[in-house]
Parts: sequence; structure tokens; C-alpha cells
Amino acid sequence: RKEVEQDPGPFNVPEGATVAFNCTYSNSASQSFFWYRQDCRKEPKLLMSVYSSGNEDGRFTAQLNRASQYISLLIRDSKLSDSATYLCVVNRYGGGKLIFGQGTELSVKP
Amino acid sequence: EAGVAQSPRYKIIEKRQSVAFWCNPISGHATLYWYQQILGQGPKLLIQFQNNGVVDDSQLPKDRFSAERLKGVDSTLKIQPAKLEDSAVYLCASSLVPSGVGETQYFGPGTRLLVL
Repeated sequence: RKEVEQDPGPFNVPEGATVAFNCTYSNSASQSFFWYRQDCRKEPKLLMSVYSSGNEDGRFTAQLNRASQYISLLIRDSKLSDSATYLCVVNRYGGGKLIFGQGTELSVKP
Repeated sequence: EAGVAQSPRYKIIEKRQSVAFWCNPISGHATLYWYQQILGQGPKLLIQFQNNGVVDDSQLPKDRFSAERLKGVDSTLKIQPAKLEDSAVYLCASSLVPSGVGETQYFGPGTRLLVL
């Protein structure tokens, strides 16, 4: 079993739709959590950190449930520019090592 | 602020050949990471440096891969000899300190390697 698992993609949604990505992690010692975005043939970039209290950045909302070892990302009012692969990322032990999920591809259509 | 620099951007070699990649992190960043990203997968950490010391190389295939960061600034990753399964994007990242809550890793554009 992979340490970080994400919904298989791709997700094809129309502009304006709300889309949710789910992620589970297996190591309960994991300390910090992130969503990264990776555009086609580009490097990953930090989208947002994920906190137990939940956090929101504009149209993006991230949630963490430590008891269930579950992370989610909600995108409201999808834009064409949101088309990318979204990577769920876990940091173990706070020592810098990031464990990436396989990514979920999102395609927003006009 | 300049980002993480990597070269070359693309490399095509034949199996059993050698190849080297170079990375220059963001100025002042003490922690440097090399990741391997195979098509359709997320990046996988190969090695992490703190200044010029190795922190984690548990997933580095040491029979063929080597990496160094001699002066604690730029770094090279070498594959010798290359296998077909080494075809991937090799990403370098850096952070001011080992990343955790509040500390972001910044990635370079990557080197795309194709082994024929």
C-alpha cells in the first residue's frame, strides 16, 4: 500500500463547477500536510498547507482529519486556469522529507 | 529572487551510459533535495542534503546513483550506468531549513532524462 493515496483521475469538469479531491495517508506519525499543484511539464508548486482546523484561500479549501488520516481539497467555481495535476503531500517527522501522492489530474472545460 | 536552477533541461542517452545533472538552489537555502518523478507518479525523494551533509539517502539506488554537494551550495546527481527505468524527470528543490510547517520547498524546472 502506498503511503499517500489519492483519487484516481482525471477529473473533467465544466467551468464554474465545484470539485473535491480526497487523499489518505498511512503513517500516523506524519506531521504536516500540503497540496501542491503541477502544471503540465512544469515543476510542482505549493498551493496551500493543510491544518487540522481547516483553511481557506479564495476558492480553495483544505481540510485535515487526523483521526481518519484523510486530507481533502475543495475547489469552488472552477476556472480554466485550474487545469493541472494536484498532488497531496505529507511531511514525516518534520525532517523535510516530503511524501507525494501520485496526483490527480483536473481538466476544466469551457 | 532567483529560483532553483537546473541543467541540462533535457538529456537523451543510451542505456549503460553515464549522465550528470546540476542544481543551484535559491541563495541561502541550506537544505537541498533531489527527487525522481516517473511519468504518472508523484515525485520520490532520492537524497536530502543539509549544507554539505547527507540527511536522507534511503531511497537512492547507490549501486548506480551518486550525489554530492561539496561546498554546501550547488549539487550534482550522477547516474552510472543508466538503465531504461531511470527515464524520468529529476527535480531539485531547496528550502531555507528542513521543510515542515511553515517552511516551503521550492522546486527547479527539472531535467527530463530519456534512456534508450
